Amino acid sequence: EDQVTQSPEALRLQEGESSSLNCSYTVSGLRGLFWYRQDPGKGPEFLFTLYSAGEEKEKERLKATLTKKESFLHITAPKPEDSATYLCAVQAAGNTGKLIFGQGTTLQVKP
Amino acid sequence: DTEVTQTPKHLVMGMTNKKSLKCEQHMGHRAMYWYKQKAKKPPELMFVYSYEKLSINESVPSRFSPECPNSSLLNLHLHALQPEDSALYLCASSPMGQGGTEAFFGQGTRLTVV
Repeated sequence: EDQVTQSPEALRLQEGESSSLNCSYTVSGLRGLFWYRQDPGKGPEFLFTLYSAGEEKEKERLKATLTKKESFLHITAPKPEDSATYLCAVQAAGNTGKLIFGQGTTLQVKP
Repeated sequence: DTEVTQTPKHLVMGMTNKKSLKCEQHMGHRAMYWYKQKAKKPPELMFVYSYEKLSINESVPSRFSPECPNSSLLNLHLHALQPEDSALYLCASSPMGQGGTEAFFGQGTRLTVV
């Protein structure tokens, strides 16, 4: 069964304190792994797509990496505006477009 | 432009009402989705339309009825809902392709069933 597990569930950081979020996955043929940011009461905002092990993507203070079993979202010198829930999702083999989401990591960055 | 527009933003309906949620995208995407999200949970897939045809129904109760009038529009018709159906309903769209393709989400409709 295709599955995505994110850790930790919640993370509190001081402004400027770098850290990483983990997304472990088991999927029958990975077509893509996606990171989203979601603010309370809003829809998920697309951040990154990763397709194969060894791939890395960067955007401002965020960097996503991918191995054959997991992905990391590294946050460098976070700011309070980075506070949000970060969702990881995978697409499995088969051209359905269905996203399988993890439970998310809620990040709080204190000034 | 990666915008998916959903209306209304908020909806309160009684259990005997009939209402519709609307979703629109102009990115030329040929796949459109409805997801349901309960508080502090991830989005759960309800329906997928590919090239305006229903391709996935995740065993959703018949009180939810999707419709895709054309490649830019997606509707979700609601009838005889239960209080437990209260949630954030998200529409998304993505291009169709051989590889994985990212989905872009709207801001959602916050539905309350009373």
